[in-house]
Amino acid sequence: DTAVSQTPKYLVTQMGNDKSIKCEQNLGHDTMYWYKQDSKKFLKIMFSYNNKELIINETVPNRFSPKSPDKAHLNLHINSLELGDSAVYFCASSQGVGQAKGEAFFGQGTRLTVV
Amino acid sequence: AQSVTQLDSQVPVFEEAPVELRCNYSSSVSVYLFWYVQYPNQGLQLLLKYLSGSTLVKGINGFEAEFNKSQTSFHLRKPSVHISDTAEYFCAVSDRSGGSYIPTFGRGTSLIVHP
Repeated sequence: DTAVSQTPKYLVTQMGNDKSIKCEQNLGHDTMYWYKQDSKKFLKIMFSYNNKELIINETVPNRFSPKSPDKAHLNLHINSLELGDSAVYFCASSQGVGQAKGEAFFGQGTRLTVV
Repeated sequence: AQSVTQLDSQVPVFEEAPVELRCNYSSSVSVYLFWYVQYPNQGLQLLLKYLSGSTLVKGINGFEAEFNKSQTSFHLRKPSVHISDTAEYFCAVSDRSGGSYIPTFGRGTSLIVHP
């Protein structure tokens, strides 16, 4: 009964490949996010969806494409992987507008290593 | 747009000593403030939050933080730390800018507790 689950936990792949990371939340939240955590632990928001609509799209290469089939799922597809894409990617969710005021619930992270 | 500054990238401390992790924010509107903890190879977990009301908030594991609007600070404290508190700590702020509450994170403070 994990609240925010993302798969896979580890992903090792070669440069140039295309890969996807899946995320699901069972909290009934309206808003979901993808964050990238670099080797210095800095967390940077990449995308945010509210009720399946994109509301934040930070400056990330267009090789990264989020997809939200419904408000409980937000997947991240990455084309033509590069060495610099190696990082830990976190999915998170929150109630967004409302009482939670942006309190976020995080998945366990996906450690992506591009070789 | 909001921003968060965590002044210390690393805080070493001996077990049972008190600790304070500093956080300052900037925002042009009312803010909501959070502290998260990240243990090695795990996702982020909420320690405590300030939404409204009393400026002194208590969280899990004996941590507390005080919201100081005039100094735009939200410092995290614990009177006596344990080895198990060794982790990365993130301060985050959210506000209603852009129509949704999107948390922005500081760069993190690594708390290292020595025996």
